[in-house]
Amino acid sequence: GAVVSQHPSRVICKSGTSVKIECRSLDFQATTMFWYRQFPKQSLMLMATSNEGSKATYEQGVEKDKFLINHASLTLSTLTVTSAHPEDSSFYICSARGEGETQYFGPGTRLLVL
Amino acid sequence: GDSVTQMEGPVTLSEEAFLTINCTYTATGYPSLFWYVQYPGEGLQLLLKATKADDKGSNKGFEATYRKETTSFHLEKGSVQVSDSAVYFCALLTWAQKLVFGQGTRLTINP
Repeated sequence: GAVVSQHPSRVICKSGTSVKIECRSLDFQATTMFWYRQFPKQSLMLMATSNEGSKATYEQGVEKDKFLINHASLTLSTLTVTSAHPEDSSFYICSARGEGETQYFGPGTRLLVL
Repeated sequence: GDSVTQMEGPVTLSEEAFLTINCTYTATGYPSLFWYVQYPGEGLQLLLKATKADDKGSNKGFEATYRKETTSFHLEKGSVQVSDSAVYFCALLTWAQKLVFGQGTRLTINP
């Protein structure tokens, strides 16, 4: 149980385009979902927290207009990187939390912006 | 703010060796503590957790004890296997219910 999927697993896009990443909780309802960014050989940095049906809460230094988060249902959250630039290239990981405090992580999405 | 510090990697051991990965934390109050593992090409998986002082989390032969006095949560395993090769992350849960991760320790086990 407690499986979280992400799609796509890898994406390459041109600079200036937008990319959408989906995060789904497959076998539980996630009242809260989290989006993280992981640079090579570094730790995960929390970008934002989203609760179903409400606006996401962004961490300090994260541009909310650049990283649009939608949590429209209890099983789906999306992260859209708008007008992507090469510096946005990274590994994006989502997690989902249902009842209790444990977060379950997706497999991650590797984004490369050319 | 809250933070987690892990021993620097990479760590390379032979199969059946004893493993210790050190983790210390700084936090307000007594947060829940976690170890997550990331196998190559996969997402993070919860390995074990402890929610209060002196609790011992254990799973798959791994153990970690919540030490309030030393603000530590060191990960140990008595006999590692090649399949344990992965990146290990120590983390704490803040009062705001956010996870704060250490920098990760890459572990390689040679046969």
